[in-house]
Amino acid sequence: AIQLTQSPSSLSASVGDRVTITCRASQDINSGLAWYQQKPGKPPKLLIYDASSLESGVPPRFSGSGSGTDFTLTITSLQPEDFATYYCQQFHTYFLLTFGGGTKVEIK
Amino acid sequence: QVQLVESGGGVVQPGRSLRLSCAASGFTFSTYAMHWVRQAPGKGLEWVAVISYDGSNKYYVDSVKGRFTISRDNSRKTLYVQMNSLRAEDTAVYYCTRGGGDFGQLFDYWGQGTLVTVSS
Repeated sequence: AIQLTQSPSSLSASVGDRVTITCRASQDINSGLAWYQQKPGKPPKLLIYDASSLESGVPPRFSGSGSGTDFTLTITSLQPEDFATYYCQQFHTYFLLTFGGGTKVEIK
Repeated sequence: QVQLVESGGGVVQPGRSLRLSCAASGFTFSTYAMHWVRQAPGKGLEWVAVISYDGSNKYYVDSVKGRFTISRDNSRKTLYVQMNSLRAEDTAVYYCTRGGGDFGQLFDYWGQGTLVTVSS
């Protein structure tokens, strides 16, 4: 199974900061990667798909990049509502979809 | 608007069975693949199973193969998962999700989840 390693596992940032989260796949997954945001007690929300395509309704301060094995989620100018846990997910192998371990973004 | 409402969770003893349901509305249920994704308390997300739009194809994570069965009733717009031989490690919030994207491989809408606790 393809494994996804996210880093860091947590970070502290201030409102207005630029935040970058990385996701590394154990093998080449082309652009078969999505990013989700989850707030406490809530289900996840799809943010980015195909590594860099923004889901409808998601603010443009969120962006994704990468292909192959290395991917990045960037939040420019962090807003109060962005404090949450972020997960990457690969869909290169359709019959065994996997998630990264998550990155918790906390208030500094 | 798309709505997914799970039900059927609860406390169950190890080795017993439970069936979860997910009632869908706000979209043409019969044209979408559907998934179950779970999250153990304080842990990350784990994909559990997927069923194709017509129920003809089903896939599972290795840890539930032979114990869980995903199914759907398109006439009732309902997704199910039958969970047998439950283990403590199956304790989690179970989310019903719609399969978005070109091949149903994204989770574009989620229910609020139902908690399954496996404990004696």
